[in-house]
Amino acid sequence: QQKVQQSPESLIVPEGAMTSLNCTFSDSASQYFAWYRQHSGKAPKALMSIFSNGEKEEGRFTIHLNKASLHFSLHIRDSQPSDSALYLCAPRTSGGNYKPTFGKGTSLVVHP
Amino acid sequence: DMKVTQMPRYLIKRMGENVLLECGQDMSHETMYWYRQDPGLGLQLIYISYDVDSNSEGDIPKGYRVSRKKREHFSLILDSAKTNQTSVYFCASSLENTLYFGAGTRLSVL
Repeated sequence: QQKVQQSPESLIVPEGAMTSLNCTFSDSASQYFAWYRQHSGKAPKALMSIFSNGEKEEGRFTIHLNKASLHFSLHIRDSQPSDSALYLCAPRTSGGNYKPTFGKGTSLVVHP
Repeated sequence: DMKVTQMPRYLIKRMGENVLLECGQDMSHETMYWYRQDPGLGLQLIYISYDVDSNSEGDIPKGYRVSRKKREHFSLILDSAKTNQTSVYFCASSLENTLYFGAGTRLSVL
């Protein structure tokens, strides 16, 4: 069973800061890596994903993936109060009948 | 726009009562899920359904059962609810690698 760990558990940053969230996973066969964002009282929603080693940027958000170290991360440039949310990582293995496993999440607060 | 609908949004039940949580999706996704979310524990997978009448246990299936008789509808049933089943329950469906979540049902078992 895939084990997923996220760090830190919580984070408070000032508006405009660079924020880094980390996720480690246990299954080296994992092939797809996603981040979900959940605003307070709302449903989780897919934010970004990556398949291959390296980096992917979308606006202020960047994902880094290093499969060899079983680690991927999410970086938020110029953090905004609207980025305040719970961030969940979700690595998945290949194969048809996989069961999605989420980390426990990092709670981010961006204060003005 | 892809939509997953959960009913009811809020529910209060007494211990020992039966509970039915319903979920619908309008995207004809084959795979659907039930998760519960508790503070500090993240999203825990209860059951997964790969299609009609093709259900599989997740990580915490004890005390729950599911029913999927139509592709667009997936139900979670708690027979004789317990106080430790108080939680927020999320239904989701998936297309390829992305999960689409409903708004959740907040269940309190007193």
